[in-house]
Amino acid sequence: DTGVSQDPRHKITKRGQNVTFRCDPISEHNRLYWYRQTLGQGPEFLTYFQNEAQLEKSRLLSDRFSAERPKGSFSTLEIQRTEQGDSAMYLCASSLEADSPQETQYFGPGTRLLVL
Amino acid sequence: AQSVAQPEDQVNVAEGNPLTVKCTYSVSGNPYLFWYVQYPNRGLQFLLKYITGDNLVKGSYGFEAEFNKSQTSFHLKKPSALVSDSALYFCAVRGFSTGRRALTFGSGTRLQVQP
Repeated sequence: DTGVSQDPRHKITKRGQNVTFRCDPISEHNRLYWYRQTLGQGPEFLTYFQNEAQLEKSRLLSDRFSAERPKGSFSTLEIQRTEQGDSAMYLCASSLEADSPQETQYFGPGTRLLVL
Repeated sequence: AQSVAQPEDQVNVAEGNPLTVKCTYSVSGNPYLFWYVQYPNRGLQFLLKYITGDNLVKGSYGFEAEFNKSQTSFHLKKPSALVSDSALYFCAVRGFSTGRRALTFGSGTRLQVQP
């Protein structure tokens, strides 16, 4: 059973550049989440999709951030005009039991972003 | 609002001894509680969850957790620690009645098991 995969695993960019991350969820998982984790902290929720619909966005998700899941399978997270404060690990998670108390989120390995 | 507190930044235990990693939570309505483990430069791995029923939940790798509603706690335990258990542990909560699906995580506890 293939887990959640994320690409790239590491990204170094210069301030002001745009970056895009990809997440491939576990096959047939209909819900997909993005979280951000900074050093010494737990993951913080950014946004989630049910199939292709983006259902919730955190206030952490500024106008420079955009996420898509066009066909209800993989998702992309784009950060425009990166800032040094965007440096973090970006985690993707997927789940199957939507709207069920049993819903469990399974996480990918993350994309570590460093903005110079 | 929902929140999680992990009062210990680090827990040190000798191999073979029992371990406890503490977690307290705050949420409206019934809590759904989770423990995840994170190894260096890796994502989070699911360990166990409490949804309803028995207050003692058993999970992966010999870990278990005890739900205590009156103390709003969900401490992670293992009877005999292994060096390979050394990692970062996160407690998370989701309040189903709030309609939110996202998990709220604590700040993590680093477990160090000495040989």
